[in-house]
Amino acid sequence: LAKTTQPISMDSYEGQEVNITCSHNNIATNDYITWYQQFPSQGPRFIIQGYKTKVTNEVASLFIPADRKSSTLSLPRVSLSDTAVYYCLVGDMNSSYKLIFGSGTRLLVRP
Amino acid sequence: EPEVTQTPSHQVTQMGQEVILRCVPISNHLYFYWYRQILGQKVEFLVSFYNNEISEKSEIFDDQFSVERPDGSNFTLKIRSTKLEDSAMYFCASTPEGLSYEQYFGPGTRLTVT
Repeated sequence: LAKTTQPISMDSYEGQEVNITCSHNNIATNDYITWYQQFPSQGPRFIIQGYKTKVTNEVASLFIPADRKSSTLSLPRVSLSDTAVYYCLVGDMNSSYKLIFGSGTRLLVRP
Repeated sequence: EPEVTQTPSHQVTQMGQEVILRCVPISNHLYFYWYRQILGQKVEFLVSFYNNEISEKSEIFDDQFSVERPDGSNFTLKIRSTKLEDSAMYFCASTPEGLSYEQYFGPGTRLTVT
Protein backbone atom coordinates (compact mmCIF):
# COMPACT_ATOMS: atom_id res chain seq x y z
CA LEU A 1 0.00 0.00 0.00
CA ALA A 2 1.34 3.39 -0.97
CA LYS A 3 1.97 5.81 1.87
CA THR A 4 0.14 9.12 1.63
CA THR A 5 1.03 12.53 2.99
CA GLN A 6 -1.50 15.33 3.44
CA PRO A 7 -1.50 18.63 5.30
CA ILE A 8 -2.66 18.20 8.87
CA SER A 9 -5.07 21.10 8.67
CA MET A 10 -6.40 23.84 6.39
CA ASP A 11 -8.53 26.90 6.92
CA SER A 12 -10.86 28.46 4.43
CA TYR A 13 -13.83 30.81 4.20
CA GLU A 14 -17.30 30.20 2.94
CA GLY A 15 -17.62 30.48 -0.81
CA GLN A 16 -13.96 29.80 -1.54
CA GLU A 17 -12.56 26.91 -3.52
CA VAL A 18 -10.46 24.56 -1.43
CA ASN A 19 -7.73 22.36 -2.84
CA ILE A 20 -6.27 19.61 -0.68
CA THR A 21 -3.19 17.94 -2.08
CA CYS A 22 -2.08 14.45 -1.21
CA SER A 23 1.38 13.10 -1.96
CA HIS A 24 1.78 9.40 -2.80
CA ASN A 25 5.23 9.03 -4.31
CA ASN A 26 5.25 5.22 -4.16
CA ILE A 27 1.93 4.68 -5.90
CA ALA A 28 1.82 1.41 -7.80
CA THR A 29 0.47 0.79 -11.28
CA ASN A 30 -2.71 -0.88 -10.06
CA ASP A 31 -3.45 1.61 -7.29
CA TYR A 32 -6.50 3.83 -7.30
CA ILE A 33 -6.83 7.10 -5.41
CA THR A 34 -9.87 7.54 -3.20
CA TRP A 35 -11.00 10.40 -0.99
CA TYR A 36 -13.27 10.20 2.02
CA GLN A 37 -14.85 12.81 4.27
CA GLN A 38 -15.59 12.39 7.95
CA PHE A 39 -17.66 14.62 10.20
CA PRO A 40 -17.19 14.40 13.98
CA SER A 41 -18.77 11.29 15.49
CA GLN A 42 -19.86 9.99 12.09
CA GLY A 43 -18.62 7.32 9.76
CA PRO A 44 -16.44 8.24 6.80
CA ARG A 45 -18.22 9.07 3.58
CA PHE A 46 -16.89 8.32 0.10
CA ILE A 47 -16.34 11.45 -1.96
CA ILE A 48 -14.54 10.54 -5.16
CA GLN A 49 -12.16 8.07 -6.75
CA GLY A 50 -9.83 8.21 -9.71
CA TYR A 51 -6.93 6.59 -11.49
CA LYS A 52 -5.56 9.34 -13.68
CA THR A 53 -6.32 12.78 -15.16
CA LYS A 54 -9.48 14.38 -13.82
CA VAL A 55 -12.65 13.07 -12.28
CA THR A 56 -15.61 15.23 -11.35
CA ASN A 57 -18.84 14.48 -9.57
CA GLU A 58 -21.53 16.57 -7.94
CA VAL A 59 -19.46 17.07 -4.81
CA ALA A 60 -15.84 17.50 -5.86
CA SER A 61 -13.17 17.19 -8.50
CA LEU A 62 -10.06 15.08 -8.34
CA PHE A 63 -6.98 16.07 -10.29
CA ILE A 64 -4.26 13.50 -10.88
CA PRO A 65 -1.12 14.46 -12.83
CA ALA A 66 0.43 12.13 -15.35
CA ASP A 67 3.03 10.74 -12.93
CA ARG A 68 0.28 10.00 -10.36
CA LYS A 69 2.62 10.82 -7.49
CA SER A 70 0.13 13.27 -6.07
CA SER A 71 -3.53 14.13 -6.31
CA THR A 72 -5.62 17.18 -5.48
CA LEU A 73 -9.14 17.15 -4.16
CA SER A 74 -10.95 20.31 -5.14
CA LEU A 75 -14.07 21.45 -3.29
CA PRO A 76 -15.81 24.32 -5.09
CA ARG A 77 -17.41 27.10 -3.04
CA VAL A 78 -17.19 25.49 0.39
CA SER A 79 -19.78 26.11 3.06
CA LEU A 80 -19.62 25.79 6.83
CA SER A 81 -20.97 22.26 6.51
CA ASP A 82 -17.84 21.19 4.63
CA THR A 83 -15.87 21.46 7.86
CA ALA A 84 -14.62 17.92 8.27
CA VAL A 85 -11.59 15.66 8.03
CA TYR A 86 -10.65 14.63 4.50
CA TYR A 87 -8.72 11.44 3.86
CA CYS A 88 -6.70 10.46 0.83
CA LEU A 89 -6.36 6.71 0.38
CA VAL A 90 -4.33 4.80 -2.19
CA GLY A 91 -4.63 1.10 -2.83
CA ASP A 92 -5.03 -1.75 -5.24
CA MET A 93 -8.66 -2.81 -5.43
CA ASN A 94 -7.66 -6.10 -6.99
CA SER A 95 -5.63 -7.28 -4.01
CA SER A 96 -7.43 -5.95 -0.96
CA TYR A 97 -10.72 -4.38 -0.12
CA LYS A 98 -9.68 -2.87 3.18
CA LEU A 99 -9.37 0.88 3.50
CA ILE A 100 -6.23 2.17 5.18
CA PHE A 101 -6.86 5.61 6.62
CA GLY A 102 -4.15 8.07 7.47
CA SER A 103 -4.52 11.06 9.73
CA GLY A 104 -6.30 13.11 7.08
CA THR A 105 -6.61 16.87 6.62
CA ARG A 106 -8.79 18.74 9.05
CA LEU A 107 -10.58 21.45 7.06
CA LEU A 108 -12.13 24.33 8.94
CA VAL A 109 -14.47 26.58 6.98
CA ARG A 110 -15.06 29.95 8.59
CA PRO A 111 -17.97 32.32 7.96
CA GLU B 1 -31.21 6.65 -0.22
CA PRO B 2 -30.40 3.30 1.43
CA GLU B 3 -28.21 3.51 4.51
CA VAL B 4 -26.19 1.25 6.74
CA THR B 5 -27.65 1.25 10.23
CA GLN B 6 -26.00 0.30 13.50
CA THR B 7 -27.30 -0.45 16.97
CA PRO B 8 -26.89 0.54 19.66
CA SER B 9 -25.57 4.05 19.12
CA HIS B 10 -23.80 3.88 22.48
CA GLN B 11 -22.91 0.86 24.57
CA VAL B 12 -21.39 1.00 28.02
CA THR B 13 -20.00 -2.22 29.43
CA GLN B 14 -17.72 -3.39 32.17
CA MET B 15 -14.31 -4.85 31.51
CA GLY B 16 -14.49 -8.56 30.88
CA GLN B 17 -18.05 -8.52 29.60
CA GLU B 18 -19.11 -9.67 26.18
CA VAL B 19 -20.64 -7.18 23.76
CA ILE B 20 -22.35 -7.62 20.43
CA LEU B 21 -22.51 -4.71 18.05
CA ARG B 22 -25.12 -4.93 15.36
CA CYS B 23 -25.22 -3.64 11.82
CA VAL B 24 -27.74 -3.82 9.03
CA PRO B 25 -25.87 -3.34 5.74
CA ILE B 26 -27.51 -2.01 2.60
CA SER B 27 -29.74 -4.79 1.32
CA ASN B 28 -28.12 -5.65 -2.02
CA HIS B 29 -24.54 -5.33 -0.77
CA LEU B 30 -22.33 -8.38 -0.58
CA TYR B 31 -19.17 -7.26 1.21
CA PHE B 32 -19.18 -6.20 4.83
CA TYR B 33 -16.57 -4.59 7.02
CA TRP B 34 -15.88 -3.48 10.55
CA TYR B 35 -13.61 -0.58 11.39
CA ARG B 36 -12.90 1.13 14.65
CA GLN B 37 -11.71 4.57 15.64
CA ILE B 38 -10.29 5.25 19.05
CA LEU B 39 -11.04 8.82 20.13
CA GLY B 40 -8.72 11.24 18.36
CA GLN B 41 -7.02 8.53 16.32
CA LYS B 42 -7.20 7.06 12.84
CA VAL B 43 -9.95 4.86 11.48
CA GLU B 44 -8.57 1.30 11.63
CA PHE B 45 -9.66 -1.70 9.57
CA LEU B 46 -10.71 -4.73 11.60
CA VAL B 47 -12.22 -7.30 9.26
CA SER B 48 -13.90 -7.86 5.93
CA PHE B 49 -16.55 -10.51 5.30
CA TYR B 50 -17.90 -12.01 2.11
CA ASN B 51 -19.95 -15.08 1.32
CA ASN B 52 -20.21 -15.97 5.02
CA GLU B 53 -16.48 -16.01 5.49
CA ILE B 54 -13.83 -13.64 6.72
CA SER B 55 -11.95 -12.32 3.68
CA GLU B 56 -9.30 -10.37 5.49
CA LYS B 57 -8.55 -9.31 9.03
CA SER B 58 -6.10 -7.03 10.75
CA GLU B 59 -3.78 -7.71 13.66
CA ILE B 60 -6.29 -6.01 15.92
CA PHE B 61 -8.89 -8.67 15.12
CA ASP B 62 -7.62 -11.33 17.50
CA ASP B 63 -9.39 -14.28 19.12
CA GLN B 64 -11.47 -11.93 21.25
CA PHE B 65 -13.30 -10.73 18.16
CA SER B 66 -15.71 -12.57 15.94
CA VAL B 67 -18.15 -11.64 13.21
CA GLU B 68 -21.32 -13.28 12.08
CA ARG B 69 -24.13 -12.83 9.62
CA PRO B 70 -26.84 -14.61 11.58
CA ASP B 71 -29.58 -13.94 9.06
CA GLY B 72 -30.06 -12.24 5.72
CA SER B 73 -29.91 -8.73 7.07
CA ASN B 74 -27.76 -8.43 10.20
CA PHE B 75 -23.99 -8.38 10.50
CA THR B 76 -22.57 -8.53 14.01
CA LEU B 77 -19.27 -7.93 15.73
CA LYS B 78 -18.75 -9.71 19.02
CA ILE B 79 -16.06 -8.90 21.53
CA ARG B 80 -15.85 -11.78 23.99
CA SER B 81 -14.12 -10.20 26.94
CA THR B 82 -13.85 -6.46 26.62
CA LYS B 83 -10.80 -4.52 27.71
CA LEU B 84 -10.46 -0.84 28.50
CA GLU B 85 -8.56 -0.35 25.24
CA ASP B 86 -11.54 -1.62 23.24
CA SER B 87 -13.28 1.69 23.95
CA ALA B 88 -13.79 3.25 20.53
CA MET B 89 -16.29 4.04 17.80
CA TYR B 90 -17.03 0.95 15.78
CA PHE B 91 -18.14 1.46 12.22
CA CYS B 92 -19.77 -1.07 9.98
CA ALA B 93 -19.50 -0.64 6.22
CA SER B 94 -20.76 -2.44 3.16
CA THR B 95 -20.22 -2.44 -0.58
CA PRO B 96 -21.88 -3.97 -3.57
CA GLU B 97 -19.65 -6.42 -5.39
CA GLY B 98 -17.04 -4.77 -7.55
CA LEU B 99 -17.07 -1.34 -5.90
CA SER B 100 -14.87 -2.12 -2.97
CA TYR B 101 -13.32 1.26 -2.38
CA GLU B 102 -16.68 3.01 -2.37
CA GLN B 103 -17.70 1.73 1.01
CA TYR B 104 -20.86 2.85 2.73
CA PHE B 105 -20.35 3.44 6.42
CA GLY B 106 -22.89 3.34 9.18
CA PRO B 107 -23.15 6.00 11.89
CA GLY B 108 -21.14 3.94 14.34
CA THR B 109 -21.52 2.50 17.82
CA ARG B 110 -19.63 4.20 20.59
CA LEU B 111 -18.35 1.49 22.91
CA THR B 112 -17.23 2.56 26.36
CA VAL B 113 -15.55 -0.05 28.54
CA THR B 114 -15.31 0.84 32.21
